[in-house]
Amino acid sequence: GAVVSQHPSRVICKSGTSVKIECRSLDFQATTMFWYRQFPKKSLMLMATSNEGSKATYEQGVEKDKFLINHASLTLSTLTVTSAHPEDSSFYICSARKRAYEQYFGPGTRLTVT
Amino acid sequence: GQQVMQIPQYQHVQEGEDFTTYCNSSTTLSNIQWYKQRPGGHPVFLIQLVKSGEVKKQKRLTFQFGEAKKNSSLHITATQTTDVGTYFCAGSQGGSEKLVFGKGTKLTVNP
Repeated sequence: GAVVSQHPSRVICKSGTSVKIECRSLDFQATTMFWYRQFPKKSLMLMATSNEGSKATYEQGVEKDKFLINHASLTLSTLTVTSAHPEDSSFYICSARKRAYEQYFGPGTRLTVT
Repeated sequence: GQQVMQIPQYQHVQEGEDFTTYCNSSTTLSNIQWYKQRPGGHPVFLIQLVKSGEVKKQKRLTFQFGEAKKNSSLHITATQTTDVGTYFCAGSQGGSEKLVFGKGTKLTVNP
């Protein structure tokens, strides 16, 4: 199998606070994980590529200081939304690369910033 | 940059009818993948196509990759209510594993 978990599944936070989202590959090691954002009824947009032991690669237009990514081990990547604002409210989904060109997605985290 | 267009955006069918969604890339793809996302769920990997002109089948689902590796289609024969969801294509270019997603086709099936 290829199971990817995300925690938390839902989070509500106040504007100005920071939120950490964890992405774990449960039954395989993933040197590469990806973070996506999905707006309601929209497609997935790649935010960044997370590489174990090195800095993440961010897509154009994504603020690296706002969306901090840490891939500290072969099974865990974290995304921290710093100083969250209501416009950061979204569905954040991670995926983990099991083998070449094969990604498995986590269940997603719905973030609501009030 | 690379763009992946997907049509139609929505499709309503009666149970038993066929369904097709089409994907078109602005650039040649190294591979294309298809995902299904149920309402409230996350994308689930269905299949990957790599070769020019490739056709793969999974029960009632048929996936095709165009000869030029710029377009792809997913065809479902005799839809069932369990087929409801949004179907996304996603392509990658060159040696990159970054996926560019189409906007998806939301399928509803009337029983």
